[in-house]
Parts: sequence; C-alpha cells; structure tokens
Amino acid sequence: GQNIDQPTEMTATEGAIVQINCTYQTSGFNGLFWYQQHAGEAPTFLSYNVLDGLEEKGRFSSFLSRSKGYSYLLLKELQMKDSASYLCAVMDSNYQLIWGAGTKLIIKP
Amino acid sequence: NAGVTQTPKFRVLKTGQSMTLLCAQDMNHEYMYWYRQDPGMGLRLIHYSVGEGTTAKGEVPDGYNVSRLKKQNFLLGLESAAPSQTSVYFCASSAGQEGQPQHFGDGTRLSIL
Repeated sequence: GQNIDQPTEMTATEGAIVQINCTYQTSGFNGLFWYQQHAGEAPTFLSYNVLDGLEEKGRFSSFLSRSKGYSYLLLKELQMKDSASYLCAVMDSNYQLIWGAGTKLIIKP
Repeated sequence: NAGVTQTPKFRVLKTGQSMTLLCAQDMNHEYMYWYRQDPGMGLRLIHYSVGEGTTAKGEVPDGYNVSRLKKQNFLLGLESAAPSQTSVYFCASSAGQEGQPQHFGDGTRLSIL
C-alpha cells in the first residue's frame, strides 16, 4: 500500500528553527509537495521537490532524498503566524497526490 | 482574485437527503479535484476531472457523483447522505499534473445527522 508518515504534532519557540520530517512509500514518484493549513482554512502551497536536494524559499526550505523516501520542511525564524498544520503529499505513478495526515506545529512565545 | 470558490460553506443534512456541492475556479485550470478531510487522516481524493466533460474516480468514490459540464465548474453530489459522509470537503484545481500545485477552495463543512 501507499503510505506517508509525518509526526502528529511538534512544538517550537518563536524565533527558533524547526524541521518537520516526512517519509513515504508510494507506487512511483512524480514529486513531493508541502502545504500549510491554518485551522479551519484551505491548504496553501509551500514547496515542490522532484530532484534530490534542497529548495529554499525565504524562511522555508524543503529537502528531498528519493533513495531514502524522505523529505523535510525547514522553517527558520519562526513567527507566531507559522502555527498551522503542515501537509506532505507525494504524487504517485498515476499523478495522484497521496497525502500525509499533517503535522500540527505549535509556536510558543 | 477569487481563485477557487466553494458553496455552501456549511450544511447540515439528515440521513438519506441529497445535495450538491458547487466548485468554481477562475484560473482556466484544466484539472479539478474533490477531496474529503477527516480528523487524523490525510486528504482523500473522491473524484477528479482532467478537462471539461471528463470525470474519474479517486480513492473513495462510493456514495458520490460528479459532473464537469463547464471547464470552470466541478459539482459533487451526494445522492443519499450517510453519517459516514460527515466531513470537510475541499475542491482544488491545477493547471496540469506534473509539477503543478493544486489550489484549494475554503472548504464545505458538512454534517449528516
């Protein structure tokens, strides 16, 4: 079967750095997406990785290792508005997105 | 700049009732999707469409029907609502598949009593 694993919840301090991990087992791989979802709102696109390595976009970076079936989202200089759920999704061989259950990130002052 | 618009935002139904959820996008996207989101689970694909007049089943299609008569609209129907269909429903659209992010509506919170 297809499976995406990410931690259920993480806590970090304002101004710090946090890394949210995602491991996956899917039938085929056509890229990995990270989305942010604030409570009661729609998911919004953060990043896309299809090749191994690090993609940096402002305070957010995303890393991919296809051989290990592993990705992480790195958030720097955390702000209170970063409190949200972070969703990892893998596009499989049928170009359908397989979603993880999300990691709820709690930021403390 | 509307993006993806879903109506209604909230709805309460009784078991056995029917209803249609509406989704409209103004980005001229070919691909549209319906997902459901339940606590502790990832988004699950119900049905999707790769263009006007086409639809296909996703991971959890039973109990739902869809139509894509116009490129900008994607309708999700519940023929006979069941309590197991209580969920938050999200519509999304994308310009393509490979490498293209999906853009989501604000969701419809549906409760079946």
